[in-house]
Amino acid sequence: GAVVSQHPSWVICKSGTSVKIECRSLDFQATTMFWYRQFPKQSLMLMATSNEGSKATYEQGVEKDKFLINHASLTLSTLTVTSAHPEDSSFYICSARGNPHRRAAYEQYFGPGTRLTVT
Amino acid sequence: ELKVEQNPLFLSMQEGKNYTIYCNYSTTSDRLYWYRQDPGKSLESLFVLLSNGAVKQEGRLMASLDTKARLSTLHITAAVHDLSATYFCAASYSGAGSYQLTFGKGTKLSVIP
Repeated sequence: GAVVSQHPSWVICKSGTSVKIECRSLDFQATTMFWYRQFPKQSLMLMATSNEGSKATYEQGVEKDKFLINHASLTLSTLTVTSAHPEDSSFYICSARGNPHRRAAYEQYFGPGTRLTVT
Repeated sequence: ELKVEQNPLFLSMQEGKNYTIYCNYSTTSDRLYWYRQDPGKSLESLFVLLSNGAVKQEGRLMASLDTKARLSTLHITAAVHDLSATYFCAASYSGAGSYQLTFGKGTKLSVIP
């Protein structure tokens, strides 16, 4: 149980275009989803936290107009990178947390990641 | 602000040897996590430590938590090549309500035959 999927697993796009990444919790309801970015040989950096039905909370330094996050349902969150540039090339990983009243509420379940390359 | 420091950042060890990775965190945390990441892959959950003195073991890996010292350790026993990966610790504080994780920089482990 507790499987999180991401789509696509990798994407190459041209500079100036937009890319949408989907994060789905397949067998549980995710009240909170997190989006991370990881540059090569670096740690994960939290970009934003999204709760179903409400606006995402962005970390300092993350442009909310560039990285659009939508958490429209309890099983789906999307990250759209708008007007992508080569410096946005990175590994994007989402994670999902379940119902806070359940025992494993503190667990975050990570998706397999999406590698974005902007040319 | 919760900060997490790991050391060492790089670790090269011979098969069969033992070693420990250290994870210090700066402020109150009520959960400490250890993850493994293989190249090009996402994170694999290894351990979640919830209370002071907690110890968990899985195969050749054992994790412990000392909340008073704000220290967690990941001990590797009789390392094998398959353990080569990057290991991250992360801490969270539920008092913030969001269960956000703060990650250490990771320890890249290379086990040499």
